[in-house]
Amino acid sequence: QQQVKQSPQSLIVQKGGIPIINCAYENTAFDYFPWYQQFPGKGPALLIAIRPDVSEKKEGRFTISFNKSAKQFSLHIMDSQPGDSATYFCAACSTFSSNTGKLIFGQGTTLQVKP
Amino acid sequence: NAGVTQTPKFRILKIGQSMTLQCTQDMNHNYMYWYRQDPGMGLKLIYYSVGAGITDKGEVPNGYNVSRSTTEDFPLRLELAAPSQTSVYFCASRSGGTGNEQFFGPGTRLTVL
Repeated sequence: QQQVKQSPQSLIVQKGGIPIINCAYENTAFDYFPWYQQFPGKGPALLIAIRPDVSEKKEGRFTISFNKSAKQFSLHIMDSQPGDSATYFCAACSTFSSNTGKLIFGQGTTLQVKP
Repeated sequence: NAGVTQTPKFRILKIGQSMTLQCTQDMNHNYMYWYRQDPGMGLKLIYYSVGAGITDKGEVPNGYNVSRSTTEDFPLRLELAAPSQTSVYFCASRSGGTGNEQFFGPGTRLTVL
């Protein structure tokens, strides 16, 4: 019940394409869903995050779609660029009560955007 | 601000050796975390701390120990290293309260042979 399942494991798109990465969770206590971006040899960095009271959030070319009833959320990258080539992780946690911030991460998706 | 710093960047250990991975943050964050990252497995929480003097186990604590004597430092101790501890280790910090973003260090790549 604590798992977050992420797919696909890897993704290759052409420049300008719209890669979509999907995540599913089971724990209904989760109420914070961030996406982290990681470049080779670097630590992950927060890209965008959403709470379940909204169905979509956009920040620049990055959009999270959230389906509370299905317990799924996805990341869309509009007009993808070679510089977006990285590993993307979805995550989830519950901020109720003490909000320890313990994130449960998905398995990661390696994205390659070809020029 | 340097953010979250980790040392060393790389280390090779022999089975049974011990070592301490260092983590320091200069953002005055209350919360600190240690994760390990294995290929295809995402990041798994090893230990976390909600403030100086307070630590607790995460998902995969076996074989590790931590301490938090100051707000800035959160070292991770490996006793009796095993090949299963070969991984990339990341330290992260978070301000707390309504601030949920975790700031990650650059990682330590550890190989146990």
